[in-house]
Amino acid sequence: DAGVIQSPRHEVTEMGQEVTLRCKPISGHNSLFWYRQTMMRGLELLIYFNNNVPIDDSGMPEDRFSAKMPNASFSTLKIQPSEPRDSAVYFCASSLRGRTEAFFGQGTRLTVV
Amino acid sequence: GDSVTQMEGPVTLSEEAFLTINCTYTATGYPSLFWYVQYPGEGLQLLLKATKADDKGSNKGFEATYRKETTSFHLEKGSVQVSDSAVYFCALIYLTGGGNKLTFGTGTQLKVEL
Repeated sequence: DAGVIQSPRHEVTEMGQEVTLRCKPISGHNSLFWYRQTMMRGLELLIYFNNNVPIDDSGMPEDRFSAKMPNASFSTLKIQPSEPRDSAVYFCASSLRGRTEAFFGQGTRLTVV
Repeated sequence: GDSVTQMEGPVTLSEEAFLTINCTYTATGYPSLFWYVQYPGEGLQLLLKATKADDKGSNKGFEATYRKETTSFHLEKGSVQVSDSAVYFCALIYLTGGGNKLTFGTGTQLKVEL
């Protein structure tokens, strides 16, 4: 299996632009997590899905952030409009239902200038 | 709600020193516990896991024992190497009615010097 695949690996965008981050979970996994990592705040859970349904989005910082999972093999995290404080590494992870570990993608390093 | 508390870093050790990174958790029910490692510039990788009380997870010389009575999962290694320098995250997965919920500690940076 190729593992969790995130794209792009790096994104540089100007303030005010829309940014879309993509994630392909491991085939057969039914839980998907989006995390943000910064030096100041560490690793923050933004939102997670089970069976494509958003379960807890309390970590989404504000309305500028939205996440979707239209099917079991694809999820997006969108920021519109982006701001410099959104600069961070965004990780996607997936796991099987049950008390099993999560597998992480390589992350997307977002820089908003 | 469930949470994970780790000792603050950075932890700086000399090569071949003994390592302990403390981790305690709060959770309703019986979570599975994990240690993840993040090397510079990379994503998180699973280091070891334990799925029930008294289980010991081990990998690459690292060990951790699931202690239900103290709600702890401390990471230990008898002799660290420079290549162990990384950030270590304690985590738990807890089953809810809606499925899995994965919760991480804040991470502990380990620096190993010659």
